[in-house]
Amino acid sequence: QQQVKQSPQSLIVQKGGISIINCAYENTAFDYFPWYQQFPGKGPALLIAIRPDVSEKKEGRFTISFNKSAKQFSLHIMDSQPGDSATYFCAASISSGTYKYIFGTGTRLKVLA
Amino acid sequence: DADVTQTPRNRITKTGKRIMLECSQTKGHDRMYWYRQDPGLGLQLIYYSFDVKDINKGEISDGYSVSRQAQAKFSLSLESAIPNQTALYFCATSDPHSNQPQHFGDGTRLSIL
Repeated sequence: QQQVKQSPQSLIVQKGGISIINCAYENTAFDYFPWYQQFPGKGPALLIAIRPDVSEKKEGRFTISFNKSAKQFSLHIMDSQPGDSATYFCAASISSGTYKYIFGTGTRLKVLA
Repeated sequence: DADVTQTPRNRITKTGKRIMLECSQTKGHDRMYWYRQDPGLGLQLIYYSFDVKDINKGEISDGYSVSRQAQAKFSLSLESAIPNQTALYFCATSDPHSNQPQHFGDGTRLSIL
């Protein structure tokens, strides 16, 4: 019940295309869903996050879509650029209590120029 | 200067050796975390600390120990390193009072021969 399942494991997209990464969870107590971006040699950095009281959040070219009934959320990268090539992790946590993150297994995105 | 600093950045050592990885932060956050990252497995929580006197085991604490020397310092020790502890190790911090997300250091790449 604590798992967060992320897919696909890897993704190749042409420049200007849309990159879509999906995550699914089981624990309905999760109430904070961040996405992290990680470049080689660097730690994960927060990209965008959503709480279940909204179905979508957009920041620039990055959008999180959240489906509470299906217990799924996804990251959409519009107009993907070579500089977006990185590994992306979704996560889920419970705001009260321990605030521990459960991470997905990551998606390695490559955007071709 | 980085908000979350990990030392060393890289370490190669032999089986059976004692290793200490150090983390210091200037963010003033109470909560600190140690994660391990393996290819295809995402980030797994080793230990976390809510303050100097509060240390908790994460999902994969066997073979590891931690010390919270001060609010700003949290170190991870491998008492007797083994090859399957070869991985990337990340320290993170968070401030639950403002619902801030976790902030990561740039990691330590540890290789155990």
